[in-house]
Amino acid sequence: DIQMTQSPSSLSASVGDRVTITCRASQSISTYLNWYQQKAGKAPKVLIYGSSSLQSGVPSRFSGSGSGTDFTLTIGSLQPEDFATYYCQQSYSSPQVFGGGTKVEIK
Amino acid sequence: EVQLVQSGAEVKKPGESLKISCKASGYSFTKYWIAWVRQMPGKGLEWMGIIYAGDSETTYSPSFQGQVTISADTSITTAYLQWNSLKASDTAMYYCARQVTGNYAQNWFDLWGQGTLVTVSS
Repeated sequence: DIQMTQSPSSLSASVGDRVTITCRASQSISTYLNWYQQKAGKAPKVLIYGSSSLQSGVPSRFSGSGSGTDFTLTIGSLQPEDFATYYCQQSYSSPQVFGGGTKVEIK
Repeated sequence: EVQLVQSGAEVKKPGESLKISCKASGYSFTKYWIAWVRQMPGKGLEWMGIIYAGDSETTYSPSFQGQVTISADTSITTAYLQWNSLKASDTAMYYCARQVTGNYAQNWFDLWGQGTLVTVSS
């Protein structure tokens, strides 16, 4: 199986901050990398697919980049509704493993 | 409305069997894959397996192969996740999710059920 490692596992930030979350794959996955946001008690929601494509309806402050083994999710200006846990997921091969998650908390 | 609606919470004893469901509506059920994702209490997301509703082709994660069965009934546009003998360690929230395919065979989950909480306790 391909392993996905996210960092950090948690972070504290203030409204308006620029936040960056990284995800590393154990082997090259080209751009087959998705990002999801999960709020407490809710189902996940896709933000970014194909490493950098913004899902329809997702605010443009979210962006993704990377290819091969290293990927980044950036929140350009953190908003109150962005406090949540974020997961990367590789869709290169089965099983489509998720990263361990990054919890974004209010500073 | 395009949605996935899952069956309600379950409380079971170890050794019992269980089948939970994911009812799809508002789209062509047989044209998409449906995956099941586990989330143990306070933990992350785990991809369990996936089924193509059109022909029931199924792929399991090695971690879940032999532990669960994924199936689908096209006549009622419903996918299922089934256990023959539950363990306490199966206690978790289970989500179904629809997989879509875009350019360059990119796949992602664009639609999720609300989750089914399964509690296994003696």
